[in-house]
Amino acid sequence: DQQVKQNSPSLSVQEGRISILNCDYTNSMFDYFLWYKKYPAEGPTFLISISSIKDKNEDGRFTVFLNKSAKHLSLHIVPSQPGDSAVYFCAASGVSNYQLIWGAGTKLIIKP
Amino acid sequence: KAGVTQTPRYLIKTRGQQVTLSCSPISGHRSVSWYQQTPGQGLQFLFEYFSETQRNKGNFPGRFSGRQFSNSRSEMNVSTLELGDSALYLCASMGDDLSEQYFGPGTRLTVT
Repeated sequence: DQQVKQNSPSLSVQEGRISILNCDYTNSMFDYFLWYKKYPAEGPTFLISISSIKDKNEDGRFTVFLNKSAKHLSLHIVPSQPGDSAVYFCAASGVSNYQLIWGAGTKLIIKP
Repeated sequence: KAGVTQTPRYLIKTRGQQVTLSCSPISGHRSVSWYQQTPGQGLQFLFEYFSETQRNKGNFPGRFSGRQFSNSRSEMNVSTLELGDSALYLCASMGDDLSEQYFGPGTRLTVT
């Protein structure tokens, strides 16, 4: 039972354009969401997070949007750069514990 | 400060054997989590230790176990290895909250 789903295994975007990565969840108890970026042969690195009391959080080129009614979040990267090519994971948690539930990841490829 | 280190980086074992993986967290971090990543899957949570106590546990069989020492270093053990245990095992140390979760490079375990 996948509680966090990233339905696109891969996404190809032109350099300079917007990249939009999507994530859906099923557990309404989740109230904290994180995005991680992972390069080959490295562990994931934290990118940006959002709590359920917000619907948007920005950090430079990265913005995460949360739609609680639809149980959907998305990560926008504007503008996309070659160094953004990586696998992006969405993860979710309830505030009361320290366990993350992860999506399967989306491989983002930025084309020059 | 030094990041999260995991040893060994690569390991090849045969079915039925047991294996021990090690993780040294970032200095000052008391929480260590372990994850399993298999191809096409997100990270699956194994367990989390905080101040030498297991605080959270995922849905893995009892063959998977862990412990944490007084210096916060952690080990995980897998007994009676199965082919399906072949995976990347990631360790993460955490500061004050989940957004401060830093991952090591992982141990690639291959079971033949």
